[in-house]
Amino acid sequence: QLEESGGGLVKPGGSLRLSCVVSGLTFTDAWVTWVRQAPGKGLEWVGLIKSQGAGGTTDYAAPVNGRFALSRDDSIDTVYLQMNSLKSEDTAVYYCAHVSSMLHPCFGTWGQGTRVTVSP
Amino acid sequence: EIVMTQSPVTLSVSPGEKATLSCRASQSVSSNLAWYQQKPGQAPRLLIYGASIRATGVPATFSGSGSGTEFTLTISSLQSEDFAVYYCQQYNNWPPYTFGQGTKLQIK
Repeated sequence: QLEESGGGLVKPGGSLRLSCVVSGLTFTDAWVTWVRQAPGKGLEWVGLIKSQGAGGTTDYAAPVNGRFALSRDDSIDTVYLQMNSLKSEDTAVYYCAHVSSMLHPCFGTWGQGTRVTVSP
Repeated sequence: EIVMTQSPVTLSVSPGEKATLSCRASQSVSSNLAWYQQKPGQAPRLLIYGASIRATGVPATFSGSGSGTEFTLTISSLQSEDFAVYYCQQYNNWPPYTFGQGTKLQIK
């Protein structure tokens, strides 16, 4: 199970930190990804953080690279998405998801999403 | 970046009939293709991975096929709960992961 929090209304240029708490699986082995969905639009991959065992490295989509940063705290089974220099086009529902396996690294379990609105 | 294109954008089918959704990749993704279902106000749900492997708990009415650049999701004998938006996603060459734009399956 995954549960996001931290969404809200923020002004352009502002910052927000989203959290994703993971339960029901071995968090230290988990790769976690974020996907967003703008109002009325499709799914857009945002970024991914690997387990510490896999180096804990991160990857980002081009539109957010350099503005968003993923981190994880394995002591509390939580992944964070720090979003800086927010733009109106970042307005979306943000989902975190668990990457199923290394053989098939698709997104097996999703949270319910948290809404981010960037507006003056 | 691999571009995923789904067709049609909207598909109208009567309950009890079969629906066929298509997904095309701009270059080969082998069998590294997933399908997701999303209902209004809900998170996406993984249906198919490896192009043809049903995820846990997915009914046998859902089947996937294809490899390389052409993929199909077939839903036989549509039930009311199957009307939703369906997305394909490639995970052969990431980052970035890429999704199709979605096919809305609606009641005829």
